[in-house]
Amino acid sequence: EDQVTQSPEALRLQEGESSSLNCSYTVSGLRGLFWYRQDPGKGPEFLFTLYSAGEEKEKERLKATLTKKESFLHITAPKPEDSATYLCAVQARGSGNTGKLIFGQGTTLQVKP
Amino acid sequence: DGGITQSPKYLFRKEGQNVTLSCEQNLNHDAMYWYRQDPGQGLRLIYYSQIVNDFQKGDIAEGYSVSREKKESFPLTVTSAQKNPTAFYLCASSGTSGGNGADTQYFGPGTRLTVL
Repeated sequence: EDQVTQSPEALRLQEGESSSLNCSYTVSGLRGLFWYRQDPGKGPEFLFTLYSAGEEKEKERLKATLTKKESFLHITAPKPEDSATYLCAVQARGSGNTGKLIFGQGTTLQVKP
Repeated sequence: DGGITQSPKYLFRKEGQNVTLSCEQNLNHDAMYWYRQDPGQGLRLIYYSQIVNDFQKGDIAEGYSVSREKKESFPLTVTSAQKNPTAFYLCASSGTSGGNGADTQYFGPGTRLTVL
């Protein structure tokens, strides 16, 4: 069964304290892995798409990496405005052309000033 | 500005009522999706549509219905058969973005439905 697991569930950091969020996946062939940011009461905001192992993408203080079993979202010198829930989702080759995404439960990040 | 709009932002339903959630996109995307989000759970797929006049059930379609008469619109009806409808509902759309066909989905702002 295709599955996505994110860890930790919650993470508290001091401003400037770098860390990483993990997304482990088990799918029947990966078509793509997606990272989203979600603020309370709002829809997810797209961050990155990764397609193959070894791929990396960066945006401001965020860097996403991908291996054959997991993805990391590295946050460098975070600021309070980076506080949000970060969602990971995968699209499996077994989904055909449906575009179906399998989501993890998310990691809620709190950055204190 | 291109994007996805959902309305209303908040919706209250009485027992036995059907309610319809609106989703409109001007991104010219072919595919549209409805998800449900509950606290402590990942997003779960309710229905999706790859093309106008066609849609498919997702993982939790029972108690919901949809239509896709226009490319831009994908309304979701929560029927009285849905026993636990209180949740945050998210609409998304996508177009082919990757060389291997992986589709990035973009989300609307969501509708919070509460059963009174």
